[in-house]
Amino acid sequence: QQQVKQSPQSLIVQKGGISIINCAYENTAFDYFPWYQQFPGKGPALLIAIRPDVSEKKEGRFTISFNKSAKQFSLHIMDSQPGDSATYFCAAKGLSGYNKLIFGAGTRLAVHP
Amino acid sequence: EPEVTQTPSHQVTQMGQEVILRCVPISNHLYFYWYRQILGQKVEFLVSFYNNEISEKSEIFDDQFSVERPDGSNFTLKIRSTKLEDSAMYFCASSGDSQETQYFGPGTRLLVL
Repeated sequence: QQQVKQSPQSLIVQKGGISIINCAYENTAFDYFPWYQQFPGKGPALLIAIRPDVSEKKEGRFTISFNKSAKQFSLHIMDSQPGDSATYFCAAKGLSGYNKLIFGAGTRLAVHP
Repeated sequence: EPEVTQTPSHQVTQMGQEVILRCVPISNHLYFYWYRQILGQKVEFLVSFYNNEISEKSEIFDDQFSVERPDGSNFTLKIRSTKLEDSAMYFCASSGDSQETQYFGPGTRLLVL
């Protein structure tokens, strides 16, 4: 119940295309859903985050879509660029405790020029 | 922009040896975390720390692990007797009053031989 399932494992997109990464969760106590971007040899960096009281959040080329009833959320990267090539992790955090992040398995995105 | 820093960036040690990984969280943050990432796998929560005590720990965080905030700026993770399976990237993270956005350091790559 503490898991966050992420797909696909890897993704290849052409420059200018849309990258879509999906995540699903079971625990309805989760109330905060961030996406992290990680470049090789670096720590995860917060990209964008959403709470379940909204269905969509957009920041520049990055959009989170959230479906509370289906317990799913996704990251859309519009106009994907080679510089977006990285590993993307969805995560979830709950109300209780001191809010550890539960991470998905990660998606390795490659944007080809 | 304030950032989490970690030292060393790489550490090689012999099985059974003690290692101390160091972190300097963002200065006004109150919540501190350690996560680890085995090569090619997802980021896993180890421990959270608030008000000078452990607030939550995972099953991974057994008696071989300990954390400490020895002064007002450093946050350390000690592994008393390293095992081969402790080889991983260890990330420190911190968050402010909101307990939401966790900012990650660049990580320490630990290799146990």
